[in-house]
Amino acid sequence: ETGVTQTPRHLVMGMTNKKSLKCEQHLGHNAMYWYKQSAKKPLELMFVYSLEERVENNSVPSRFSPECPNSSHLFLHLHTLQPEDSALYLCASSYGLAVYNEQFFGPGTRLTVL
Amino acid sequence: GENVEQHPSTLSVQEGDSAVIKCTYSDSASNYFPWYKQELGKRPQLIIDIRSNVGEKKDQRIAVTLNKTAKHFSLHITETQPEDSAVYFCAASILTGGGNKLTFGTGTQLKVEL
Repeated sequence: ETGVTQTPRHLVMGMTNKKSLKCEQHLGHNAMYWYKQSAKKPLELMFVYSLEERVENNSVPSRFSPECPNSSHLFLHLHTLQPEDSALYLCASSYGLAVYNEQFFGPGTRLTVL
Repeated sequence: GENVEQHPSTLSVQEGDSAVIKCTYSDSASNYFPWYKQELGKRPQLIIDIRSNVGEKKDQRIAVTLNKTAKHFSLHITETQPEDSAVYFCAASILTGGGNKLTFGTGTQLKVEL
């Protein structure tokens, strides 16, 4: 598959579980992002990585832990989540961090926390 | 930080009519304004963008206008078609130490009725 892919597409987990979301981009980009999309709320930027280095942490709780092992892969490790963390988690990538660079989104992971 | 407000939250138009979605932003340093379209169950995709040194940009049936003085920008869709039905998000981008930071509006659900 081309573009930005995310797995799993759906995830149901209990508050004590540990799970990981995976994002992979096939576009040759070197910047990657995690967003949270909740109903009736704007997309919220969570983390930004450039060349595998985290450059932005938008006041995200420590129960969300990102990892970027290389410029093509981005993970979001989840532990001890709360029901209010249920949302669509979107990954995006861009060619660099310049302001005019288009961000390409993945299809998202629909997360439900019981 | 930047705050983007978007109106209306829902918009219904008859096929062939025009649709206008409006956004305002708070930070005068924002200099890039993309619009994303998200169809049901799909990823957000960029449809048009405008830079702060341009007042208007058009691409076939869609156009965006920017008023920097008033800090607002609008999306115009003419001759609407059923496939235009989707949620539209505006965003404002500002260059920070963490690179390109997009702040999104809350989205407009556009419904084009036959």
